Amino acid sequence: GQQLNQSPQSMFIQEGEDVSMNCTSSSIFNTWLWYKQEPGEGPVLLIALYKAGELTSNGRLTAQFGITRKDSFLNISASIPSDVGIYFCAGQNYGGSQGNLIFGKGTKLSVKP
Amino acid sequence: NAGVTQTPKFRILKIGQSMTLQCAQDMNHNYMYWYRQDPGMGLKLIYYSVGAGITDKGEVPNGYNVSRSTTEDFPLRLELAAPSQTSVYFCASSSRQGEVNGYTFGSGTRLTVV
Repeated sequence: GQQLNQSPQSMFIQEGEDVSMNCTSSSIFNTWLWYKQEPGEGPVLLIALYKAGELTSNGRLTAQFGITRKDSFLNISASIPSDVGIYFCAGQNYGGSQGNLIFGKGTKLSVKP
Repeated sequence: NAGVTQTPKFRILKIGQSMTLQCAQDMNHNYMYWYRQDPGMGLKLIYYSVGAGITDKGEVPNGYNVSRSTTEDFPLRLELAAPSQTSVYFCASSSRQGEVNGYTFGSGTRLTVV
């Protein structure tokens, strides 16, 4: 089945630093999504990308949908302690079971005050 | 508005026991999903449903069963629990399959099989 390669696996950064993580796939997706998961909770949607080349921001978060539709990155600027969590990329196609989400393995972010 | 509610939050099962993980949503969503999340891994789809009375297998359905008798409820059944089913289980719902902004997750059920 389709798989997403997400990197890095974990990051330890100082408060105020910028963060970048990315996701690649061997196949095309119609939609790319970025989720954040905090301990004991389900994933929460941060950004959804619908068009190849699309660049979208949500506060300090910026994400881009790769032009080939096989990759995406997420940047977090000026990190703060509450950014701690696991960030997942997910890809989605439409129609049948392909309408369901395929998740990367996550990037665990730790922020030192 | 509770969104997606999962019960129980935690459970320990012995090998061979059975249990049902409950999932209910109050958003009148047609689509519901069950995912499992193993340590250090992303979520993998177990089963999904596009409406009451209709269910289909996802990527990892073996060892599980589901039913969808109402729009609101989508229980997940484990008949003979095995250690490989130790995981965190997430239920999700959406109003239609392509609507990712409406994809709401529950807070999860942490299951340990010993």
